[in-house]
Amino acid sequence: AQSVTQLDSQVPVFEEAPVELRCNYSSSVSVYLFWYVQYPNQGLQLLLKYLSGSTLVESINGFEAEFNKSQTSFHLRKPSVHISDTAEYFCAVSPPTYTGNQFYFGTGTSLTVIP
Amino acid sequence: EAGVTQSPTHLIKTRGQQATLRCSPISGHTSVYWYQQALGLGLQFLLWYDEGEERNRGNFPPRFSGRQFPNYSSELNVNALELEDSALYLCASSFLRRAEAFFGQGTRLTVV
Repeated sequence: AQSVTQLDSQVPVFEEAPVELRCNYSSSVSVYLFWYVQYPNQGLQLLLKYLSGSTLVESINGFEAEFNKSQTSFHLRKPSVHISDTAEYFCAVSPPTYTGNQFYFGTGTSLTVIP
Repeated sequence: EAGVTQSPTHLIKTRGQQATLRCSPISGHTSVYWYQQALGLGLQFLLWYDEGEERNRGNFPPRFSGRQFPNYSSELNVNALELEDSALYLCASSFLRRAEAFFGQGTRLTVV
């Protein structure tokens, strides 16, 4: 069975400071990995994904995440956060199967950027 | 391309009533997922439909049920509503063997 652990439920950080949101997963098979972001009263938007290839993936708004197979981690980082990054962030894993994908989500990390 | 659409946006019901939530996936997507997001509890997996069949079900009582129609749209039914069913219900869709899921804006269900 797959499970996802987001170790930090809340992360406050000052504007322009770096941030890391941690995500660890457990799985007996290869998985796809995702980070989603949820702004207040909205659905989830895909931030970035790892399917295969380079272990470092980047988003268009400056976030990056690195897949570490040995540590079963997929931590999300940004070198300098902006007020608009304040949101809930969810890590997810999906073991690909022939018939489709089941998605397993972490409990989320609330990122608050302080002016 | 239209995204995942959910209706209604908000729904207010009294305890004991039934609620029906609807989801239209992105065109061409065959899988639909339902999640419950209650305050402080993250996303709880409810149901997964693909090609009209229920593929998996989360740890929810039988009064949570649903179906997927031939056009791949889906319906979530919650019978005998309880106060703790108040939550944001999110629908997502994906295409067979495409990796990511795309989410709708959700239906906010309030049980009073």
